[in-house]
Amino acid sequence: EDQVTQSPEALRLQEGESSSLNCSYTVSGLRGLFWYRQDPGKGPEFLFTLYSAGEEKEKERLKATLTKKESFLHITAPKPEDSATYLCAVLRVDQTGANNLFFGTGTRLTVIP
Amino acid sequence: GAVVSQHPSRVICKSGTSVKIECRSLDFQATTMFWYRQFPKKSLMLMATSNEGSKATYEQGVEKDKFLINHASLTLSTLTVTSAHPEDSSFYICSASGGLAGVFGTQYFGPGTRLTVL
Repeated sequence: EDQVTQSPEALRLQEGESSSLNCSYTVSGLRGLFWYRQDPGKGPEFLFTLYSAGEEKEKERLKATLTKKESFLHITAPKPEDSATYLCAVLRVDQTGANNLFFGTGTRLTVIP
Repeated sequence: GAVVSQHPSRVICKSGTSVKIECRSLDFQATTMFWYRQFPKKSLMLMATSNEGSKATYEQGVEKDKFLINHASLTLSTLTVTSAHPEDSSFYICSASGGLAGVFGTQYFGPGTRLTVL
């Protein structure tokens, strides 16, 4: 069964305390893995797309990596404004050629000043 | 680039009325648009996928006669919740993809619409 699991469910960090969020998946025929940030009451904001194992992407304090079974979102020296829910989604193309995007339930990050 | 807007951002209506939500891609042509529903502290649940000019594909368990989707152009899709009831109250989010070179499959999300049915 296609599944995307994110851990931890919630994470509290002190400002400057680096950590990693995990997204593991059991989706066959992966075409891409996406990371989004979502603030309360708003739509997800696109962060990264990763297409193949070994790929890495960076943006400011965030770095995303991908293996064959999981992805990590590393946050270096986080600031309070990094507090949000981080969603991971996996794209698979089915037999009809349609895109199927599977979302994890997210990690709610709180960075304390 | 890649801006998606939704209107309205918030709507409160009486039970039995219909509500239309618009989703627009502002700076790119969206060959595919998606409609999601999100419950508090839960992830996004895909309701339907629509391609411009063709009928929407609904996910299992989503009533197509209740949630009418129209994707009339490459920049506009609408979701109409017909005869809304309190259990339809939720956060509805649209996303759009297509037309951005080198970013296969990336969906760009609108800001969401909070629907409250009294």
